[in-house]
Amino acid sequence: SQQGEEDPQALSIQEGENATMNCSYKTSINNLQWYRQNSGRGLVHLILIRSNEREKHSGRLRVTLDTSKKSSSLLITASRAADTASYFCATDDSWGKLQFGAGTQVVVTP
Amino acid sequence: DAGVIQSPRHEVTEMGQEVTLRCKPISGHNSLFWYRQTMMRGLELLIYFNNNVPIDDSGMPEDRFSAKMPNASFSTLKIQPSEPRDSAVYFCASSLNYYEQYFGPGTRLTVT
Repeated sequence: SQQGEEDPQALSIQEGENATMNCSYKTSINNLQWYRQNSGRGLVHLILIRSNEREKHSGRLRVTLDTSKKSSSLLITASRAADTASYFCATDDSWGKLQFGAGTQVVVTP
Repeated sequence: DAGVIQSPRHEVTEMGQEVTLRCKPISGHNSLFWYRQTMMRGLELLIYFNNNVPIDDSGMPEDRFSAKMPNASFSTLKIQPSEPRDSAVYFCASSLNYYEQYFGPGTRLTVT
């Protein structure tokens, strides 16, 4: 079963625009992680935010976490064509067992 | 570091045949995960190991699936007998102390 649910399922933007995607989950978590998957490739870890953190930045990425609403958002600023990929949130229980959402497919056009 | 290594990258087999997928985790990582990804079901965790010991195999779909980790640098996922519905991309991932996971390139399995 999938713990995280991403929204929207697909997103199409132009280079330079910001991309925002959301993740909702159902049960309490230890931390929440975001991953990127390029077509035909394995997932790549982007950022981890702990349950006691509210916001985290990494380069052009900004992640927020609202544990009261059981939701997280990933913002990609100044998007590039190379950001075209599927983005997944994953929630982590205390044993490190990740449950992935269905993903948001992002297409960035030049 | 070479990252997580999986072999083969592609496997095409006939229904009823045995399939063995292989994974070499990143050196020094102590957790290893096997996932399956399909369009219909998304990314599913099949089994994971910590310090070579299976911790949770509740995601293994049937007794036809088995996984082993004989040492810290090698793991196998075996399907016997294989069925067409097992067609998927199988990923292996490793991590250190349950933090971010590093995924291999995957094995695309097609069972005809």
